[in-house]
Amino acid sequence: GQQLNQSPQSMFIQEGEDVSMNCTSSSIFNTWLWYKQDPGEGPVLLIALYKAGELTSNGRLTAQFGITRKDSFLNISASIPSDVGIYFCAGHYPGAGSYQLTFGKGTKLSVIP
Amino acid sequence: ETGVTQTPRHLVMGMTNKKSLKCEQHLGHNAMYWYKQSAKKPLELMFVYSLEERVENNSVPSRFSPECPNSSHLFLHLHTLQPEDSALYLCASSQDRNGEKLFFGSGTQLSVL
Repeated sequence: GQQLNQSPQSMFIQEGEDVSMNCTSSSIFNTWLWYKQDPGEGPVLLIALYKAGELTSNGRLTAQFGITRKDSFLNISASIPSDVGIYFCAGHYPGAGSYQLTFGKGTKLSVIP
Repeated sequence: ETGVTQTPRHLVMGMTNKKSLKCEQHLGHNAMYWYKQSAKKPLELMFVYSLEERVENNSVPSRFSPECPNSSHLFLHLHTLQPEDSALYLCASSQDRNGEKLFFGSGTQLSVL
């Protein structure tokens, strides 16, 4: 199967700072999704992207479907303590079976008050 | 409250035990999933049940046995597990057939001694 590479693996930022993280693949994807997992909970869907170049916002979060279809980016503006958690990218690539979603290993975000 | 409830939240079992994980979704979705989350690894799809079919990851050992008596309930039966099976087991549901917009439960943290 395909692999998704997320970077950075972890990051420490000051409250109020903006955050950027990305997800790349060697193959094209048809769909990109971003999930967040709070400590002790399951992942929650933040943003779904379906077209190359698409830019979608959800509050302070903005995600983009890369033009090459091989990457996606997530930005968080003016971070707050509740942004702490692990952010996962996921995608569905051509030829994948039904229900077969590929996940990255996650970016762990820590926010220093 | 995500609409997907998993029990128990924590489980410790010996390698000779038999136990079951339970999942219930209150969202009216058509598909339910078991995912395995291990440290520093991507989420791994284990099984999917939908109205049309059952899909399984061929790499999942037979000591894991799913059961889906109806569209709202999902079980994962465990027997003669190994220590490397210790992980967070997440149940999810979705309305769409691509398994993209997943609603996860809080998971069962399993420790095999």
